[in-house]
Amino acid sequence: EAQVTQNPRYLITVTGKKLTVTCSQNMNHEYMSWYRQDPGLGLRQIYYSMNVEVTDKGDVPEGYKVSRKEKRNFPLILESPSPNQTSLYFCASRRDFGTDTQYFGPGTRLTVL
Amino acid sequence: QKEVEQNSGPLSVPEGAIASLNCTYSDRVSQSFFWYRQYSGKSPELIMSIYSNGDKEDGRFTAQLNKASQYVSLLIRDSQPSDSATYLCAVFYNQGGKLIFGQGTELSVKP
Repeated sequence: EAQVTQNPRYLITVTGKKLTVTCSQNMNHEYMSWYRQDPGLGLRQIYYSMNVEVTDKGDVPEGYKVSRKEKRNFPLILESPSPNQTSLYFCASRRDFGTDTQYFGPGTRLTVL
Repeated sequence: QKEVEQNSGPLSVPEGAIASLNCTYSDRVSQSFFWYRQYSGKSPELIMSIYSNGDKEDGRFTAQLNKASQYVSLLIRDSQPSDSATYLCAVFYNQGGKLIFGQGTELSVKP
């Protein structure tokens, strides 16, 4: 089954404790991205990757890091989480940069205390 | 001005009625337009895409695009309580390969 998976689905942590949210897709997609979703603000792109070892900032990259060492995986790293990073996070992928149909993972609800 | 704008709602309609959801966008060169449905706490699910001016029908859903007015809408006929969700409009900008989302319209269908 073609899918995007994320782990963990729910996470409660404390300020400053480094965490990683994993994302994996099995569709051999080149393009992957991370979004956060907050009430009234919609989906905002954090980072994206057009292919292995190629990443770039989205609209709200501050406080986040990403890496793309393999085509299927695109982890999101919070080196020192803060309460304003409490949000619902979605990983997404699509076939390539120019393709418009995008598939979303199930989401990760993060709470930073 | 936001790139993609939607009324946040909530929009409430009775069961069986037509729900009309609207979206405007700012960039005239946009080519691809999408409607996603998102249930509370779940991921967005693609329900319609439209690329040309006019109407596109898929079951109870009709997407309408007017590029001159920079306007895209979604009509849901015979609305059901299971249609209650937030509907996200998304616009794809070929230059930059960016998919921009509106903030979503919450739809509530009352039995």
